[in-house]
Amino acid sequence: DAGVTQSPTHLIKTRGQQVTLRCSPISGHKSVSWYQQVLGQGPQFIFQYYEKEERGRGNFPDRFSARQFPNYSSELNVNALLLGDSALYLCASTATTGAIMNTEAFFGQGTRLTVV
Amino acid sequence: AQSVTQLDSQVPVFEEAPVELRCNYSSSVSVYLFWYVQYPNQGLQLLLKYLSGSTLVKSINGFEAEFNKSQTSFHLRKPSVHISDTAEYFCAVGGVNDYKLSFGAGTTVTVRA
Repeated sequence: DAGVTQSPTHLIKTRGQQVTLRCSPISGHKSVSWYQQVLGQGPQFIFQYYEKEERGRGNFPDRFSARQFPNYSSELNVNALLLGDSALYLCASTATTGAIMNTEAFFGQGTRLTVV
Repeated sequence: AQSVTQLDSQVPVFEEAPVELRCNYSSSVSVYLFWYVQYPNQGLQLLLKYLSGSTLVKSINGFEAEFNKSQTSFHLRKPSVHISDTAEYFCAVGGVNDYKLSFGAGTTVTVRA
Protein backbone atom coordinates (compact mmCIF):
# COMPACT_ATOMS: atom_id res chain seq x y z
CA ASP A 1 0.00 0.00 0.00
CA ALA A 2 1.21 3.50 -0.78
CA GLY A 3 1.80 5.72 2.19
CA VAL A 4 1.11 9.43 2.37
CA THR A 5 2.50 11.09 -0.74
CA GLN A 6 3.40 14.75 -1.05
CA SER A 7 4.42 16.82 -4.02
CA PRO A 8 6.64 18.46 -4.92
CA THR A 9 9.51 17.28 -2.72
CA HIS A 10 11.43 20.53 -3.05
CA LEU A 11 10.41 24.01 -4.12
CA ILE A 12 12.11 27.37 -4.37
CA LYS A 13 9.97 30.52 -4.50
CA THR A 14 10.57 34.24 -4.36
CA ARG A 15 9.18 36.53 -1.67
CA GLY A 16 5.67 37.66 -2.50
CA GLN A 17 4.87 34.67 -4.69
CA GLN A 18 2.19 32.07 -4.02
CA VAL A 19 2.71 28.33 -3.60
CA THR A 20 0.51 25.23 -3.64
CA LEU A 21 1.54 22.01 -1.96
CA ARG A 22 -0.25 18.72 -2.51
CA CYS A 23 -0.93 15.67 -0.39
CA SER A 24 -2.54 12.30 -1.06
CA PRO A 25 -3.54 10.40 2.08
CA ILE A 26 -3.34 6.70 2.64
CA SER A 27 -6.14 4.89 0.84
CA GLY A 28 -9.20 4.81 3.07
CA HIS A 29 -8.08 7.71 5.25
CA LYS A 30 -10.51 10.60 5.26
CA SER A 31 -8.60 13.11 7.37
CA VAL A 32 -5.58 15.18 6.36
CA SER A 33 -3.56 17.49 8.59
CA TRP A 34 -0.82 19.95 7.64
CA TYR A 35 2.19 20.84 9.78
CA GLN A 36 5.01 23.34 9.32
CA GLN A 37 8.47 22.35 10.53
CA VAL A 38 10.96 25.19 10.61
CA LEU A 39 14.61 24.12 10.73
CA GLY A 40 15.62 23.20 14.25
CA GLN A 41 12.06 23.09 15.61
CA GLY A 42 9.28 20.60 16.02
CA PRO A 43 6.31 20.52 13.64
CA GLN A 44 3.58 23.11 14.22
CA PHE A 45 -0.05 22.35 13.42
CA ILE A 46 -1.58 24.39 10.58
CA PHE A 47 -4.86 22.73 9.54
CA GLN A 48 -6.93 19.60 9.77
CA TYR A 49 -9.53 18.64 7.19
CA TYR A 50 -12.02 15.81 7.47
CA GLU A 51 -14.65 14.93 4.89
CA LYS A 52 -13.74 18.13 3.01
CA GLU A 53 -14.44 20.38 5.97
CA GLU A 54 -11.94 22.30 8.07
CA ARG A 55 -12.00 20.81 11.55
CA GLY A 56 -9.13 22.68 13.13
CA ARG A 57 -6.77 25.55 12.50
CA GLY A 58 -3.50 26.47 14.17
CA ASN A 59 -2.09 29.90 14.86
CA PHE A 60 -1.16 30.83 11.30
CA PRO A 61 -2.07 33.98 9.33
CA ASP A 62 -4.79 34.07 6.71
CA ARG A 63 -2.13 33.82 4.00
CA PHE A 64 -2.32 30.09 4.71
CA SER A 65 -5.33 28.24 3.34
CA ALA A 66 -6.17 24.67 2.45
CA ARG A 67 -8.84 22.51 0.98
CA GLN A 68 -9.72 18.84 0.68
CA PHE A 69 -11.11 17.21 -2.42
CA PRO A 70 -13.76 14.48 -2.82
CA ASN A 71 -10.99 11.87 -3.13
CA TYR A 72 -9.63 13.13 0.24
CA SER A 73 -6.44 14.55 -1.24
CA SER A 74 -5.55 18.03 -0.05
CA GLU A 75 -3.80 21.21 -1.09
CA LEU A 76 -2.10 23.77 1.12
CA ASN A 77 -1.82 27.26 -0.32
CA VAL A 78 0.40 30.02 0.97
CA ASN A 79 0.09 33.52 -0.47
CA ALA A 80 2.48 36.47 -0.31
CA LEU A 81 5.40 34.30 0.73
CA LEU A 82 7.81 35.58 3.36
CA LEU A 83 11.34 34.43 4.06
CA GLY A 84 10.04 33.00 7.33
CA ASP A 85 7.76 30.61 5.46
CA SER A 86 10.81 28.57 4.50
CA ALA A 87 10.24 25.19 6.13
CA LEU A 88 9.43 21.54 5.67
CA TYR A 89 5.68 21.18 5.21
CA LEU A 90 4.37 17.84 6.41
CA CYS A 91 1.08 16.20 5.64
CA ALA A 92 -0.41 13.57 7.93
CA SER A 93 -3.36 11.31 7.26
CA THR A 94 -5.62 9.51 9.70
CA ALA A 95 -8.63 7.30 9.35
CA THR A 96 -11.02 9.56 11.22
CA THR A 97 -11.04 12.69 13.27
CA GLY A 98 -11.54 13.48 16.91
CA ALA A 99 -10.73 10.97 19.62
CA ILE A 100 -9.56 8.27 17.25
CA MET A 101 -7.44 10.59 15.11
CA ASN A 102 -4.59 10.96 17.50
CA THR A 103 -3.96 7.26 17.74
CA GLU A 104 -2.68 6.73 14.22
CA ALA A 105 -1.25 9.72 12.33
CA PHE A 106 0.90 8.76 9.32
CA PHE A 107 3.22 11.41 7.92
CA GLY A 108 4.46 11.97 4.40
CA GLN A 109 8.06 12.82 3.47
CA GLY A 110 7.27 16.49 3.32
CA THR A 111 7.78 19.34 0.89
CA ARG A 112 10.86 21.46 1.49
CA LEU A 113 9.94 25.06 0.66
CA THR A 114 12.69 27.65 0.35
CA VAL A 115 11.72 31.30 -0.02
CA VAL A 116 14.44 33.58 -1.36
CA ALA B 1 -4.07 23.19 25.10
CA GLN B 2 -1.02 21.01 25.44
CA SER B 3 2.71 21.71 25.37
CA VAL B 4 5.79 19.52 25.26
CA THR B 5 9.31 20.14 26.55
CA GLN B 6 12.18 18.00 25.42
CA LEU B 7 14.91 18.65 27.91
CA ASP B 8 17.89 17.78 25.73
CA SER B 9 18.46 19.28 22.29
CA GLN B 10 21.45 17.08 21.45
CA VAL B 11 22.54 13.72 22.85
CA PRO B 12 25.83 12.23 21.67
CA VAL B 13 26.26 8.57 22.57
CA PHE B 14 28.64 5.74 21.77
CA GLU B 15 27.48 2.63 19.96
CA GLU B 16 26.13 -0.08 22.29
CA ALA B 17 25.72 2.43 25.13
CA PRO B 18 22.30 3.20 26.64
CA VAL B 19 20.42 6.39 25.85
CA GLU B 20 17.54 8.26 27.48
CA LEU B 21 15.63 11.12 25.90
CA ARG B 22 13.57 13.19 28.30
CA CYS B 23 10.11 14.51 27.58
CA ASN B 24 7.73 16.43 29.83
CA TYR B 25 4.29 17.62 28.88
CA SER B 26 1.55 19.82 30.24
CA SER B 27 -2.14 19.44 29.61
CA SER B 28 -5.43 20.20 31.29
CA VAL B 29 -7.08 17.12 29.74
CA SER B 30 -6.27 13.46 29.30
CA VAL B 31 -3.70 12.87 26.59
CA TYR B 32 -2.20 10.36 24.22
CA LEU B 33 1.61 10.42 24.01
CA PHE B 34 3.90 9.61 21.10
CA TRP B 35 7.52 9.42 20.08
CA TYR B 36 8.36 10.03 16.42
CA VAL B 37 11.72 9.60 14.69
CA GLN B 38 12.91 11.66 11.75
CA TYR B 39 15.88 10.54 9.66
CA PRO B 40 17.70 13.16 7.55
CA ASN B 41 15.59 14.55 4.73
CA GLN B 42 12.63 12.38 5.61
CA GLY B 43 9.23 12.75 7.23
CA LEU B 44 8.19 11.54 10.66
CA GLN B 45 7.84 7.87 11.55
CA LEU B 46 5.89 6.75 14.60
CA LEU B 47 8.22 4.98 17.01
CA LEU B 48 5.80 4.17 19.83
CA LYS B 49 2.68 5.46 21.53
CA TYR B 50 0.84 5.44 24.83
CA LEU B 51 -2.92 5.44 24.62
CA SER B 52 -4.02 3.66 27.80
CA GLY B 53 -3.29 0.60 29.90
CA SER B 54 0.28 -0.41 30.72
CA THR B 55 2.43 2.65 31.29
CA LEU B 56 5.46 0.96 29.69
CA VAL B 57 5.31 0.80 25.92
CA LYS B 58 7.86 -0.78 23.60
CA SER B 59 8.82 -0.56 19.93
CA ILE B 60 9.95 -3.39 17.70
CA ASN B 61 13.49 -2.01 17.46
CA GLY B 62 14.32 -1.97 21.16
CA PHE B 63 13.07 1.45 22.29
CA GLU B 64 10.73 1.80 25.25
CA ALA B 65 8.99 4.68 26.98
CA GLU B 66 7.23 4.97 30.28
CA PHE B 67 4.25 7.20 30.96
CA ASN B 68 4.45 8.83 34.38
CA LYS B 69 1.27 10.73 35.06
CA SER B 70 2.37 12.24 38.38
CA GLN B 71 5.53 13.64 36.83
CA THR B 72 3.86 14.36 33.46
CA SER B 73 6.73 12.66 31.68
CA PHE B 74 7.17 10.21 28.82
CA HIS B 75 10.91 9.50 28.64
CA LEU B 76 12.32 7.35 25.85
CA ARG B 77 15.06 4.79 26.49
CA LYS B 78 17.11 2.24 24.63
CA PRO B 79 19.57 -0.02 26.47
CA SER B 80 22.01 -0.36 23.57
CA VAL B 81 22.06 1.97 20.56
CA HIS B 82 23.27 1.33 17.02
CA ILE B 83 24.77 3.68 14.46
CA SER B 84 21.47 3.46 12.59
CA ASP B 85 19.65 5.09 15.54
CA THR B 86 21.25 8.41 14.61
CA ALA B 87 18.25 10.64 13.97
CA GLU B 88 16.06 13.33 15.45
CA TYR B 89 13.44 12.25 17.94
CA PHE B 90 10.26 14.15 18.66
CA CYS B 91 7.93 13.74 21.60
CA ALA B 92 4.31 14.64 20.86
CA VAL B 93 1.08 14.90 22.79
CA GLY B 94 -2.50 14.87 21.60
CA GLY B 95 -5.49 15.59 23.76
CA VAL B 96 -8.10 12.87 23.80
CA ASN B 97 -10.88 14.16 21.51
CA ASP B 98 -8.44 16.68 20.03
CA TYR B 99 -7.63 17.04 16.35
CA LYS B 100 -3.95 17.94 16.46
CA LEU B 101 -0.61 16.92 17.86
CA SER B 102 1.71 19.24 19.77
CA PHE B 103 5.39 18.48 19.31
CA GLY B 104 8.50 19.19 21.29
CA ALA B 105 11.49 20.89 19.69
CA GLY B 106 13.23 17.57 19.14
CA THR B 107 16.36 15.80 20.36
CA THR B 108 19.17 15.00 17.97
CA VAL B 109 20.81 11.69 18.77
CA THR B 110 24.23 11.09 17.26
CA VAL B 111 25.65 7.60 17.72
CA ARG B 112 29.40 7.26 17.35
CA ALA B 113 31.44 4.10 16.87
